[in-house]
Amino acid sequence: DIQMTQSPSSLSASVGDRVTITCRASQIISSYLNWYQQKPGKAPKLLIYAASSLHSGVPSRFSGSGSGTDFTLTISSLQPEDFATYYCQQSYSAWTFGQGTKVEIK
Amino acid sequence: QITLKESGPTLVKPTQTLTLTCTFSGFSLSTNGVGVGWIRQPPGKALEWLALIYWDDDKRYSPSLKSRLTITKDTSKNQVVLTMTNMDPVDTATYYCVHRLGSLIVRYHDRFDYWGQGTLVTVSS
Repeated sequence: DIQMTQSPSSLSASVGDRVTITCRASQIISSYLNWYQQKPGKAPKLLIYAASSLHSGVPSRFSGSGSGTDFTLTISSLQPEDFATYYCQQSYSAWTFGQGTKVEIK
Repeated sequence: QITLKESGPTLVKPTQTLTLTCTFSGFSLSTNGVGVGWIRQPPGKALEWLALIYWDDDKRYSPSLKSRLTITKDTSKNQVVLTMTNMDPVDTATYYCVHRLGSLIVRYHDRFDYWGQGTLVTVSS
């Protein structure tokens, strides 16, 4: 199984901050990496697919980068509606998720 | 517009079999490249993929749960059914069904672009 490790597990940030979340795969997964956002009591939503492609309707302040084993999700200017938990997911071989990163209000 | 909705019991007893149904609209599971999967999330914990069925009836299961899972589809009813045997309290979770969008050739290399609202299943005697 491919293991996905996110860091940090949680972070506190203010509106307007630039936020970066990292995800590391236990083996090379090329660019088969997706990012999801989940708000409390809601289903996850796809943000980024194939490491850097923005899903339809997702604001451009979200961006993704990386390939191989190391990936990054960046929120360029944090908005109030962005406080949520973010998950990375590999789709190179079956599907596994990271443990999540909770973005909280500072 | 793609929608998915999970249905099934909210409470099951230990050792019982859980049967969940995903009823979807806005796409056909007979279209090349399409798949429907199941993902669960225990309260306060991370997401875990369980199973997925493709348009051509190919099926994939989580290795750790493979012996307990069965996924089937009814294309005419636009439904996918997941059964999980020998339920245990650790299986208490919200169960989501998802729409798979991705490669026509490779059985992964894809993303879950639509999710159901989820259904909470509690395992308790």
